[in-house]
Amino acid sequence: DIQMTQSPSTLSASVGDRVTITCRASQSVSRWLAWYQQKPGKAPKLLIYKASTLENGVPSRFSGSGSGTEFTLTISSLQPDDFATYYCQQYNTYRTFGQGTKVDFK
Amino acid sequence: QVRLQESGPGLVKPSETLSLTCTVSGGSISTWYWSWIRQSPGKGLEWIGFIYSDGSTTYNPSLKSRVAMSVDTSRNQFSLNFYSVTPADTAVYYCARGSGWLALWGQGALVTVTS
Repeated sequence: DIQMTQSPSTLSASVGDRVTITCRASQSVSRWLAWYQQKPGKAPKLLIYKASTLENGVPSRFSGSGSGTEFTLTISSLQPDDFATYYCQQYNTYRTFGQGTKVDFK
Repeated sequence: QVRLQESGPGLVKPSETLSLTCTVSGGSISTWYWSWIRQSPGKGLEWIGFIYSDGSTTYNPSLKSRVAMSVDTSRNQFSLNFYSVTPADTAVYYCARGSGWLALWGQGALVTVTS
């Protein structure tokens, strides 16, 4: 099994902050990694796939980087709509999600 | 645009079978992969498996012994059967399009396992 570990589990931030979330894989997943945003009571929304490709319609303040076992999701300037939980997901071998990172108000 | 909608019983008794269907509207189920994911209350996401429109499947190894998926292209639907459920299987079950990254999701269906 490939384990995905996100850090931090919770992140307190303010509007306008630059936010970075890290996702580490227990073994290499190449660049087969996606990021999702989830709000309470809603399905996850795809933000990024192939580690750094922005899904259509996702604001450019979101970006992804990394390969192998270490990946980051960056929000360049946090907006009110961005307070949510973020998940990484590998799709190199079977599929596994990280445990999530909740971004809340500082 | 393409939409996914999960349907099925909201309550299932322990040891019984959880059955859910995902109906695809606004597009064809053919030539796509279709996935099931679940989320226990207050917890993270767990991948269950996916099925191609030709019926071939790939399941989460940790759940494989209790899961079966099928597809009905004539109805534009695919289904999940989860056998011998316990209260730990209580979750919101999502269907989604794709096998790698998942760009399109249903709204989710809460299934509670309780006697």
